[in-house]
Amino acid sequence: SQQGEEDPQALSIQEGENATMNCSYKTSINNLQWYRQNSGRGLVHLILIRSNEREKHSGRLRVTLDTSKKSSSLLITASRAADTASYFCATDEGRKLIWGLGTSLAVNP
Amino acid sequence: DAGVIQSPRHEVTEMGQEVTLRCKPISGHNSLFWYRQTMMRGLELLIYFNNNVPIDDSGMPEDRFSAKMPNASFSTLKIQPSEPRDSAVYFCASVRGTEAFFGQGTRLTVV
Repeated sequence: SQQGEEDPQALSIQEGENATMNCSYKTSINNLQWYRQNSGRGLVHLILIRSNEREKHSGRLRVTLDTSKKSSSLLITASRAADTASYFCATDEGRKLIWGLGTSLAVNP
Repeated sequence: DAGVIQSPRHEVTEMGQEVTLRCKPISGHNSLFWYRQTMMRGLELLIYFNNNVPIDDSGMPEDRFSAKMPNASFSTLKIQPSEPRDSAVYFCASVRGTEAFFGQGTRLTVV
């Protein structure tokens, strides 16, 4: 079952612009993670934010979490062509991760 | 560490044939997950193991699918008999704490 729902489904921006992706979920969580998937490859962990955190940074990535709205956002600043990929959020359900369908980001040079 | 290793990377088989996908998790990770990814359904959890024991196989689509983890360093996902609707990319992921480490996947095409 899919708990996380990312939006938009697809996003196309110019290099240097910021990209914002959102994720909504349904049940209470302990943490929420964001992953990136390059075409034809496996998913790679980007960042984890715990339920008691509101914002977290890692390099050009900024993640926010609003547990009252059951939503999270991933901001990529100063985007690069190499950021072109699909981005997924995942929430925890016991030992399982529940995945959204992803946002496909295209960064045009 | 070489990461999670899956084989084969690509598999093309005829309907009705048996298919076996293989996964070598990262040493020391005690949980292993098998996923299937398609455009229509996204990433679906098929089964996961903890300390080599199957914990939840509710995502396995039907009896044609089976998975084993005979030891901490090896797991297989078998489809017998295969059908065209099984065509997808199958990922194995080993987990340390809350972070999942994915293999490169096996792209399965059943014709």
